[in-house]
Amino acid sequence: GAGVSQSPSNKVTEKGKDVELRCDPISGHTALYWYRQSLGQGLEFLIYFQGNSAPDKSGLPSDRFSAERTGGSVSTLTIQRTQQEDSAVYLCASSPQGSSNQPQHFGDGTRLSIL
Amino acid sequence: AQSVSQHNHHVILSEAASLELGCNYSYGGTVNLFWYVQYPGQHLQLLLKYFSGDPLVKGIKGFEAEFIKSKFSFNLRKPSVQWSDTAEYFCAVNEGGGTSYGKLTFGQGTILTVHP
Repeated sequence: GAGVSQSPSNKVTEKGKDVELRCDPISGHTALYWYRQSLGQGLEFLIYFQGNSAPDKSGLPSDRFSAERTGGSVSTLTIQRTQQEDSAVYLCASSPQGSSNQPQHFGDGTRLSIL
Repeated sequence: AQSVSQHNHHVILSEAASLELGCNYSYGGTVNLFWYVQYPGQHLQLLLKYFSGDPLVKGIKGFEAEFIKSKFSFNLRKPSVQWSDTAEYFCAVNEGGGTSYGKLTFGQGTILTVHP
């Protein structure tokens, strides 16, 4: 079946612009995670959505970062007033229910480059 | 807070050599442990996982890992590597238990290069 889909695959933008990254999880998966993979920092958790519960935003690095999940499916990660340190690969993952013993399925990521 | 350490940043082997990649974590409670692999140009894929039971777990493509609780370790092994195993390998941990959810803490990753 279809896996986790992310778009765009690559995004190049100027410093100070806003960007939106999209994630379409596996159908039926209620849990959705965003991670960031950057040089020197490895893979870092950003935010977690589970059903209609309030998201866990504890990993968001600043208030320039926000995310929403509409209808319990597609999620959008928004970065406002981008900075060069935001350059990274942004990964989305989903799992059936979000329990800790359920492996997460990852998308191909969005490679974000801030000029 | 949890942390995960992978001891080797880059490992270079010849085909048929044995592989062991180290992973240590810091968390005193119940944990779930994972190894993910990222082949060139592909997304992260689950290699194997440990939740409970037999501490020696077997995954895909001949990989296995052993959970040693006393050493807070979950090392990945393969008796004989192939050129197609060239990839980046990530160890990851989350808190086990019924009330937790799946937020993963990852190690820095180990790049494995296998020469034919």
